[in-house]
Amino acid sequence: EVQLWESGGGLAQPGGSLRLSCAASGFTFSSYAMSWVRQAPGKGLEWISGVSGTGVFTYDADSVKGRFTISRDNSKSTLFLQMNNLRAEDTAVYYCAKTGALDYGSGSFLDYWGQGTLVTVSS
Amino acid sequence: SYELTQPPSVSVSPGQTAGITCSGDKLGDKYVSWYQQKPGQSPVVVIYHDSKRPSGIPERFSGSNSGNTATLTISGTQAMDEADYYCQAWDSSTVIFGGGTKLTV
Repeated sequence: EVQLWESGGGLAQPGGSLRLSCAASGFTFSSYAMSWVRQAPGKGLEWISGVSGTGVFTYDADSVKGRFTISRDNSKSTLFLQMNNLRAEDTAVYYCAKTGALDYGSGSFLDYWGQGTLVTVSS
Repeated sequence: SYELTQPPSVSVSPGQTAGITCSGDKLGDKYVSWYQQKPGQSPVVVIYHDSKRPSGIPERFSGSNSGNTATLTISGTQAMDEADYYCQAWDSSTVIFGGGTKLTV
């Protein structure tokens, strides 16, 4: 059974940093690209970052470029999101999600999602 | 940047057919997926690659994609189908989500 478990959320001050983790199990982690998707309170889904199965290729939404960095440790089946220079508008539930392929491309979709971790940015 | 547009809300009576649209420029040239999200829960994919259903998704869920519009169709809609639905595509190295549609049964 595929399981994704996010951790690392919490309260951060504007301009501060947080590092999210996502522990994966139930599949060959290195064979699949992974994503971070967030959802602000009462709002829709926003994809923010993706990384290929090898970790070589990364993709970011414009809203987080230069501030957030996605990475993975395939030896530990763990996905990370380093979030720097946090803003109030980064307040959201952050989901870790698995894709159905080694890398992104036409047809990419997210077949399993974690339960999410809440990040609140406030002074 | 590429945009996917969905109606904010759709209402349907139990047992009837619900259709949720997703529009984008030449969307028919891309693969579209659909996600269902119930309150307090994580999203679940109900359709991928335009019309494929993952295992465990009821047959009443179907999808199509042509021209500039993709459609999620729920036949014989049940009360348990009340949820937010999001379409999704891939464009210019990014995953794109539509704004979401609240389905009321």
